[in-house]
Amino acid sequence: EIVLTQSPGTLSLSPGERATLSCRASESVTSGSLAWYQLKPGQAPRLLIYGASTRATGIADRFSGSGSGTDFTLTITRLEAEDFAVYYCHQYGSSPQTFGQGTRVEIK
Amino acid sequence: EVQLLESGGGLVQPGGSLRLSCPASGFSFSSYAMSWVRQAPGKGLEWVSTIGANGVITYYADSVKGRFTISRDSSKKTLYLRMNSLRAEDTALYYCAKLHHTYSYDSNGYYGAFDVWGQGTLVTVSS
Repeated sequence: EIVLTQSPGTLSLSPGERATLSCRASESVTSGSLAWYQLKPGQAPRLLIYGASTRATGIADRFSGSGSGTDFTLTITRLEAEDFAVYYCHQYGSSPQTFGQGTRVEIK
Repeated sequence: EVQLLESGGGLVQPGGSLRLSCPASGFSFSSYAMSWVRQAPGKGLEWVSTIGANGVITYYADSVKGRFTISRDSSKKTLYLRMNSLRAEDTALYYCAKLHHTYSYDSNGYYGAFDVWGQGTLVTVSS
């Protein structure tokens, strides 16, 4: 199975700063089949990006995804208060589909 | 409003059984493949199972194969997960999720992002 490694484990930033989250796959992700999710305690997870770079419906344009093959990035250009959360990448191009271990974005 | 609402979690002894339910609203339930994803305490997300739109084709993670059964009732717009022979390592928050309309499938599985999730139901396996 494809192992996804996210880095850093925790990102400490201030509102207004730029966040760059990395997701590296142990082998190439088929057809850029990679998604990013935001998780907050007590809330339903939210799809941010699918197909490596396509924003999901209703997602603000400060969120962007890029990458291909084995290296993917989620960028949040200007952090807002509601963006402090845990983010997971997810590859769904190969069976079994797998998730990264998560990156926590916390307020500095 | 598009919504999924899991229920049926609780405390169960090792070797016991539970059935989780997830009624859907706000979208054409019978048109989409659906999945269960879980998150153990302090851990990341883990895909558990997927069922096709017609309810015939199912896939399972190796960790639950032979113990868990996914099913759906289109008349009730509800997704289910029957969990037997539960183990301590099955302790987790269980989410149901809808596959994004861009999903595809082949003989090995379904391939798609999850665009709608519930808030989860907690399953604790302990004596």
